[in-house]
Amino acid sequence: AQSVTQLDSQVPVFEEAPVELRCNYSSSVSVYLFWYVQYPNQGLQLLLKYLSGSTLVKGINGFEAEFNKSQTSFHLRKPSVHISDTAEYFCAVILNTGFQKLVFGTGTRLLVSP
Amino acid sequence: EAQVTQNPRYLITVTGKKLTVTCSQNMNHEYMSWYRQDPGLGLRQIYYSMNVEVTDKGDVPEGYKVSRKEKRNFPLILESPSPNQTSLYFCASSSPTSGGYNEQFFGPGTRLTVL
Repeated sequence: AQSVTQLDSQVPVFEEAPVELRCNYSSSVSVYLFWYVQYPNQGLQLLLKYLSGSTLVKGINGFEAEFNKSQTSFHLRKPSVHISDTAEYFCAVILNTGFQKLVFGTGTRLLVSP
Repeated sequence: EAQVTQNPRYLITVTGKKLTVTCSQNMNHEYMSWYRQDPGLGLRQIYYSMNVEVTDKGDVPEGYKVSRKEKRNFPLILESPSPNQTSLYFCASSSPTSGGYNEQFFGPGTRLTVL
């Protein structure tokens, strides 16, 4: 069975500092990889996705993620965060078979302070 | 505007009082799902539907029912709610894309409190 592990439940960081949110997955078949963001009291918004091709994926709001097949990782990065990036971030995978069920990690809360 | 709508957005109820959370999409998607979000657990799939009259259990189906009588609607039914069903619920719809995967569109969420 596939699973997604987000190692950090909470990441505090100062404004304008770089940040990396870690995501590892396990699957015996090919997957599609996603990062979603949930701002306080809002729904889920797709930040970026990896389907195939270049392993470096750029998303909205200056975020990017790199797919590393050998390490089964899909870490999210931003070189300089803003207060407005404070949110919960979810890594998710879809198996490239059948219904393509979306499996989420447990989430990482990014707390940006001045 | 393409969207997934859920109603109600907020609901406080008491144990045992049947309730229904509606979900509707206007994108003609075949697939629809329900998720619940709990702190520290992320989002977990409750039920999903691959088409009209075709539904199946997800990871946490106990205490829930669904139906898919029309393509656009996928209501979530709690016949006898209990406090452990207090959660944030999301409906999602999806359809195959040219990229070969199903892009999921999420509703705004329904925050349910069962007293």
